[in-house]
Amino acid sequence: GAVVSQHPSWVICKSGTSVKIECRSLDFQATTMFWYRQFPKQSLMLMATSNEGSKATYEQGVEKDKFLINHASLTLSTLTVTSAHPEDSSFYICSATHSGRGRETQYFGPGTRLLVL
Amino acid sequence: AQKVTQAQTEISVVEKEDVTLDCVYETRDTTYYLFWYKQPPSGELVFLIRRNSFDEQNEISGRYSWNFQKSTSSFNFTITASQVVDSAVYFCALSGTDSSYKLIFGSGTRLLVRP
Repeated sequence: GAVVSQHPSWVICKSGTSVKIECRSLDFQATTMFWYRQFPKQSLMLMATSNEGSKATYEQGVEKDKFLINHASLTLSTLTVTSAHPEDSSFYICSATHSGRGRETQYFGPGTRLLVL
Repeated sequence: AQKVTQAQTEISVVEKEDVTLDCVYETRDTTYYLFWYKQPPSGELVFLIRRNSFDEQNEISGRYSWNFQKSTSSFNFTITASQVVDSAVYFCALSGTDSSYKLIFGSGTRLLVRP
């Protein structure tokens, strides 16, 4: 149990376009999902915390109008990078926690590599 | 403030050697959780272990073992008889018990196991 998927795994887009990344919990309900970005050879940086049915909570320095997060159901959260620019190129990873017991443990998706040309 | 320090940036060992990855944390919470995750070259973070602050028992899982010492605020990870497949970046992380359970990650230790 505790499988998290992300789609797409790779995306290459032109500067100025918007990109949507999906994060799904496949075998459990996730009240809370998290979005991270990771630059090469660096640690994970939390971008936002997403709770089902409510607005996401963004970390300091993360532009909420740039990175739109929607958590429409207990198994799906989406991150949309709006008007992407080359500096948005990164590895984006989501995680999810069980809505019941063990909710302190985050299970991570396989990540999405975004390259903005 | 919460902080996790992984002082070892990179470690290189020869297969079958034992290796210990260090993790030191700071927190003012009395109840907290510590984690280790493995990130192989594919990028996905693999959950290895969770330990809560009230449980100082060491744990062994196959070739993996963890040493939790509250007195020194450390949660070290040892791989016995390392294998090439153990090559990855290993992250130590800390979370409090507020409703968000946000993780604070260390900077990671890159382990290279050479054949």
